[in-house]
Amino acid sequence: SQELEQSPQSLIVQEGKNLTINCTSSKTLYGLYWYKQKYGEGLIFLMMLQKGGEEKSHEKITAKLDEKKQQSSLHITASQPSHAGIYLCGADTPSGGGADGLTFGKGTHLIIQP
Amino acid sequence: DTAVSQTPKYLVTQMGNDKSIKCEQNLGHDTMYWYKQDSKKFLKIMFSYNNKELIINETVPNRFSPKSPDKAHLNLHINSLELGDSAVYFCASSPRDSYYGYTFGSGTRLTVV
Repeated sequence: SQELEQSPQSLIVQEGKNLTINCTSSKTLYGLYWYKQKYGEGLIFLMMLQKGGEEKSHEKITAKLDEKKQQSSLHITASQPSHAGIYLCGADTPSGGGADGLTFGKGTHLIIQP
Repeated sequence: DTAVSQTPKYLVTQMGNDKSIKCEQNLGHDTMYWYKQDSKKFLKIMFSYNNKELIINETVPNRFSPKSPDKAHLNLHINSLELGDSAVYFCASSPRDSYYGYTFGSGTRLTVV
């Protein structure tokens, strides 16, 4: 079965600084999803990556999938208090049919210090 | 207009009770799921339903049973609740081609006392 390892487990960053969260898979990634969860709330979809070398950006968040499709990174530029929360990476199955759901990493807890 | 809605948002109950959590999606998605998030925030899939057919069952206790009256609903029934069942339960849905996203509900926080 596929396993995802996220690093770091937790991160405290001063407001305005940049940061990177990594997600490494035990198998080739066929669909890699990034979600954000605010404490006590549901999951908010950020981005999905599918192709090796793919990079997507939304506002100050950039996600990349490496060429070998086994590692993804999420980079936040000029962090703000609104970026605080738990970031989760999730992997889809090779068939992409959706019936097996997503396998998630254990999450990265991000705290932004004013 | 909420895409995936779960009720209740909070549920506090005693050990041994039977409870249900409801989930509805208005996205026309083909597959619905239940996930469990433990106290360490680890999110793990429990069930998925596709066209009223159970696709996977991730070794969860048989006290947990998903029930889907129609394509838009997937309810979670839990019998004889135990302390270890305390967690946040998330419902989700996806289209046939899941590359275009899984949508999650806002979660149900279950506390067994």
